[in-house]
Amino acid sequence: EAGVTQFPSHSVIEKGQTVTLRCDPISGHDNLYWYRRVMGKEIKFLLHFVKESKQDESGMPNNRFLAERTGGTYSTLKVQPAELEDSGVYFCASSQATGPTNGYTFGSGTRLTVV
Amino acid sequence: AQSVAQPEDQVNVAEGNPLTVKCTYSVSGNPYLFWYVQYPNRGLQFLLKYITGDNLVKGSYGFEAEFNKSQTSFHLKKPSALVSDSALYFCAVKAGNQFYFGTGTSLTVIP
Repeated sequence: EAGVTQFPSHSVIEKGQTVTLRCDPISGHDNLYWYRRVMGKEIKFLLHFVKESKQDESGMPNNRFLAERTGGTYSTLKVQPAELEDSGVYFCASSQATGPTNGYTFGSGTRLTVV
Repeated sequence: AQSVAQPEDQVNVAEGNPLTVKCTYSVSGNPYLFWYVQYPNRGLQFLLKYITGDNLVKGSYGFEAEFNKSQTSFHLKKPSALVSDSALYFCAVKAGNQFYFGTGTSLTVIP
């Protein structure tokens, strides 16, 4: 089966511009997650979709970040306007089941650089 | 609150030697512990997990990890390192539907 696909793999934008990241989960996975790793630090949770609904968005840093999952398939994460501190690697993951004992399948990430 | 510490940013080991990547955790409730690996230009790949039972967990690519409750540790080990094991390793604890990751350890296996 195809894995979790993210694109672009790299994006370099200027401060103040807008960037949209896309994630295609594994087909049939209702659960979709966004995480990010900033400046070599830990990977942190951003939000969790169940189908098209936001189950948990407690990790979203501020209102410059907007995540959508229309139709419950692919998801987009828009950063508008981008700031320097938004640079990092954004990972998407999906899973069929939820709960503390289940792992996720992660994508290869989008490396975002804001200059 | 949940947290994971990976005290070493970088670990170097000679090919054929045993390797250890350290991880300690802090969690309220039962610890559900995971190791993921990221090879260059690849996604995070699941290696192994501890949920309950035997403290020694075996995973992919010959890796294993030992759960130590008294030391709150979950160190990743492999008896004989390969050059192809060079990658970024992340320890994580899962609470509910969220992973709490460490900062990662870059492993370099020297031929």
